[in-house]
Amino acid sequence: GAGVSQSPRYKVAKRGQDVALRCDPISGHVSLFWYQQALGQGPEFLTYFQNEAQLDKSGLPSDRFFAERPEGSVSTLKIQRTQQEDSAVYLCASSLQPYAEAFFGQGTRLTVV
Amino acid sequence: QQQVKQSPQSLIVQKGGISIINCAYENTAFDYFPWYQQFPGKGPALLIAIRPDVSEKKEGRFTISFNKSAKQFSLHIMDSQPGDSATYFCAARGYNFNKFYFGSGTKLNVKP
Repeated sequence: GAGVSQSPRYKVAKRGQDVALRCDPISGHVSLFWYQQALGQGPEFLTYFQNEAQLDKSGLPSDRFFAERPEGSVSTLKIQRTQQEDSAVYLCASSLQPYAEAFFGQGTRLTVV
Repeated sequence: QQQVKQSPQSLIVQKGGISIINCAYENTAFDYFPWYQQFPGKGPALLIAIRPDVSEKKEGRFTISFNKSAKQFSLHIMDSQPGDSATYFCAARGYNFNKFYFGSGTKLNVKP
């Protein structure tokens, strides 16, 4: 596709449920980022991949959060045992090269009830 | 600890007026300062960006002013239009760490 695609667009999870959020970056983009955006706030960095290598996961808030990009293209962000404070929009971004312009997807809005 | 501080939180401007949003930072390792525009239900989209070797960058109605010594930068939107109504985020990235730190956002409302 022409842009970064994220699915699902909306996800409602019961507290304690596991969820998986998918990101399809722009074809050929080496760098991939995940950000978390709470309501009314700016995006906060979660993790960064260069191809299949996860180079920075310093923003993951707990060991319940896990991200992977096994073949260097599609990425999945998994949240185990969801809690209410996990409710947010999860944004994925990709760039052609490290330190190049980053393009964001529309995000997945996660609501934990 | 917020790495990039943004103000104001919200802004109302009349059509044709100038919108000004300010950001400040502390980390001298930052070397790239973009501004993003976000509409409801959409992801942030790059508007304009600047590096610290210049003090001003202009693209159409959008201008970034950069003050390296004060560690401040601002976005000016000239001739503001109702279609500019959105949330604006400043951000910063370092030369040795490939991730953005975002400000808390400014919700701009341009009244017709």
